Amino acid sequence: KAGVTQTPRYLIKTRGQQVTLSCSPISGHRSVSWYQQTPGQGLQFLFEYFSETQRNKGNFPGRFSGRQFSNSRSEMNVSTLELGDSALYLCASSLVPGRETQYFGPGTRLLVL
Amino acid sequence: AQRVTQPEKLLSVFKGAPVELKCNYSYSGSPELFWYVQYSRQRLQLLLRHISRESIKGFTADLNKGETSFHLKKPFAQEEDSAMYYCALSAPGNTPLVFGKGTRLSVIA
Repeated sequence: KAGVTQTPRYLIKTRGQQVTLSCSPISGHRSVSWYQQTPGQGLQFLFEYFSETQRNKGNFPGRFSGRQFSNSRSEMNVSTLELGDSALYLCASSLVPGRETQYFGPGTRLLVL
Repeated sequence: AQRVTQPEKLLSVFKGAPVELKCNYSYSGSPELFWYVQYSRQRLQLLLRHISRESIKGFTADLNKGETSFHLKKPFAQEEDSAMYYCALSAPGNTPLVFGKGTRLSVIA
C-alpha cells in the first residue's frame, strides 16, 4: 500500500499570505490528523477528521482551518501567515479514530518570511 | 486533560550501553500508550505500543500504572538507534492522540 502523501513538500511564503496543504491518507484509512512540529514545541495537535467531520481541534487560532473530502483526502489552510507559523506540518492517517496506530506522511515544511 | 512528559530533551549514551527513555503521563483512566520514532530524514513511525507487548528493534516498554510511566528501554544501544523518540497517549472516547515533546537519543560510537 502506498503511504501517506503530502503536497507540497516545501513552501516559502511571506507574512500575511495564506497557504493550503494537502494530505492523501493510506487507502482505506478514514481518519486524518494534522500536527505542527517545531524544535521548541515538538508535535502539537491541530485537527482530527473522520468521515468529513472534524472530531477534535487543537489549541490554535482560527487562522488555522481544515477539511476532509469524501475520498478521505484532507486539506489544511493557514490564513494571514505569521513568522511563527514556520514549521513542519505533519499529516497522519489511521483506519478509524481512537486507539489506532497513526501512519505519518513526510510533512510539508513551511517557511514564512 | 491528558499530558505526556518526557523529561529529557537529549540523551547521549555510548554504543553497547543500556538505554532508558523516560515517559510519564497524567491520566486517571486506562490509556493506550505508544512510542513513535523519527530517524534522520525519515517520517515519524510507530516503534511500539503497550497493548501489543512486542519487542521492536530490541526496545521494550512497560506500562506502570502506579507510577504512570511508560519508559522505553533497550539493553544495548546501537548507533542506528540515534533518533528522536516521542511518547504518546490515547485516552478512550473522542480525544486526540497526545504527544510528549520528544527525546533525542544520540548513541556515541
